[in-house]
Amino acid sequence: GAGVSQSPRYKVAKRGQDVALRCDPISGHVSLFWYQQALGQGPEFLTYFQNEAQLDKSGLPSDRFFAERPEGSVSTLKIQRTQQEDSAVYLCASSPPSNWYSSYEQYFGPGTRLTVT
Amino acid sequence: AQTVTQSQPEMSVQEAETVTLSCTYDTSESDYYLFWYKQPPSRQMILVIRQEAYKQQNATENRFSVNFQKAAKSFSLKISDSQLGDAAMYFCAYRMLNSGTYKYIFGTGTRLKVLA
Repeated sequence: GAGVSQSPRYKVAKRGQDVALRCDPISGHVSLFWYQQALGQGPEFLTYFQNEAQLDKSGLPSDRFFAERPEGSVSTLKIQRTQQEDSAVYLCASSPPSNWYSSYEQYFGPGTRLTVT
Repeated sequence: AQTVTQSQPEMSVQEAETVTLSCTYDTSESDYYLFWYKQPPSRQMILVIRQEAYKQQNATENRFSVNFQKAAKSFSLKISDSQLGDAAMYFCAYRMLNSGTYKYIFGTGTRLKVLA
């Protein structure tokens, strides 16, 4: 079946612009995660949804970052007033329900590379 | 707080040879999961192998195996019969077993080069 998809794959924004990054999880997956991966680093957790509920947003670096998943499927990560330090790859991952085998595994999308100039 | 450390920024291996990538972690939990992910230049993270901490037996997946030392909090990945397609960034990751947050904590990665 189809994997996790993300759009756009690449985004260039001028400093101060707002951006919206989209994630389509695997059908039936209830958990959705956003990670930020700076150049040469490992992914760092931003936020976690179970269905439409945002259960953990402890990794969001500032109040300029906002994520939503209103219908429990597609999710959008929004960054307001982008800064150069926001330049990174943003990865989305989803996990199956807890009663599925391998519910603890995360399936990753290809990421969106954001460059802020 | 849990941390994951990969102390080898880069490793090289000759094609068909064996290489071991190191990972150590710090946690006060007794039950958790450990993973190795591969990230090729396309950026898609691909699960290589997983280990449940409550299982004493080391996980194996074809040419990939782990050496899980729970007391030492060590989780190394062995790649046998290395192939050119194995060249990628490899990330070690940790996840608590029972937690309200199911986030992964990643190491900084090891870049593996495979020499023909």
